[in-house]
Parts: sequence; C-alpha cells; structure tokens
Amino acid sequence: GQQVMQIPQYQHVQEGEDFTTYCNSSTTLSNIQWYKQRPGGHPVFLIQLVKSGEVKKQKRLTFQFGEAKKNSSLHITATQTTDVGTYFCAGAGGTSYGKLTFGQGTILTVHP
Amino acid sequence: DTEVTQTPKHLVMGMTNKKSLKCEQHMGHRAMYWYKQKAKKPPELMFVYSYEKLSINESVPSRFSPECPNSSLLNLHLHALQPEDSALYLCASSQAPPNTEAFFGQGTRLTVV
Repeated sequence: GQQVMQIPQYQHVQEGEDFTTYCNSSTTLSNIQWYKQRPGGHPVFLIQLVKSGEVKKQKRLTFQFGEAKKNSSLHITATQTTDVGTYFCAGAGGTSYGKLTFGQGTILTVHP
Repeated sequence: DTEVTQTPKHLVMGMTNKKSLKCEQHMGHRAMYWYKQKAKKPPELMFVYSYEKLSINESVPSRFSPECPNSSLLNLHLHALQPEDSALYLCASSQAPPNTEAFFGQGTRLTVV
C-alpha cells in the first residue's frame, strides 16, 4: 500500500533559525496536504499542493511539491515560539480514493 | 461555521461498556472520516463516508461500528473495547470528493479501563 515517509522525526531549533521537514511517498500522489498539530490539539490544515513542481508561500512558510509528485517539503523561515507543534504531510492519490496517508510527523521545538 | 464538533471530549469506559462518539459539521461537507491517533503518532484512518455511504473501512475491528445518520452527523459506536484502544479519536470532514482540505474536530480522548 501507499506509504509516506517524513523526516526528521524531531527538530529542535533556536528562535530565529530556519526549519525544514521532508516527505517522500512510495507512489505518485494526486495531491499532498500539510497539517499542523499543536501540543494537546487537533490537526489543522495548512495547505494543499496539486501540481507538479508547485511552490506555495504563506508568510514565513514555503511549501514545495516535487516534479514527480512523490515528494514535498515545508520550510519555515526564522522560526518563532508560536511555530511549536507537530507538522504532518498527508498524501492522497492512486487507487486509494478518499484516503489520506499521513507521514509520521516532525515534532518542532523552538527554544526562545 | 467552519467547525467540526465532537462529543464527548473525554470518555472513560470499561471493557464491557457500550458507548458512542458523536461528530457534527454544518459546512455542507459530504465526506466524513474517523481517525485514531496514539500519542506522538500520526492519525490513522479508520473509516470514510462519502455521501452518507461507507466508502472505506481500513480493516477496523467490529467492536468499532460507524454510522452516518445524515450528511451532518457521524457516530462511532464502541463495544467491548480493549485497553489498547485507548487513544484520541478524531472526526474530520471535507468537500466531496474526498482528499480535499480536511477540517478536524478537537477529538475525543478515550480511555478503556
């Protein structure tokens, strides 16, 4: 079945440093979504990427979808303490219609 | 209204109990989902309903029984659970077809004793 690998599992940064998390799918995706889950909270949708090579920005966050639609990344510039949480990618596609496969998540800690 | 509301927020139940988790959305979404999430793990898909019909069952044990009474409501009936079923149960909804932006509820923290 479809698998989505995400690295790193943990990332500790000093406030102001940059942060990147990467996702790789075993199969070609129709789209990839990114979610953020604060400690004790629920996943909150950040963005969806659909097109090959797509790049989207939200303030300090930059999302990329690979040319082969099998990998993606989330980059945060100049992290802030409010960025703390777990970032999940979730891939959709192939024969798994209706199914989102989540990556393992990257737990981000930001030290002030 | 962009909320998915889940009740109860916390639930403790014995292994012989029967209980139900409830989920409600008023965004007009026609796809609804149940996920199970263990600590420090990603959400695991359990069930997908599309237009009130069960479209995906991820080989979930029969002690979990989903129900979609109408397009706004989703229930998860629990019976004879095991302690290892303790987890955060998340409901989500999205536009149909599925695989668009999913809105998650705050979850029900379930403890089986």
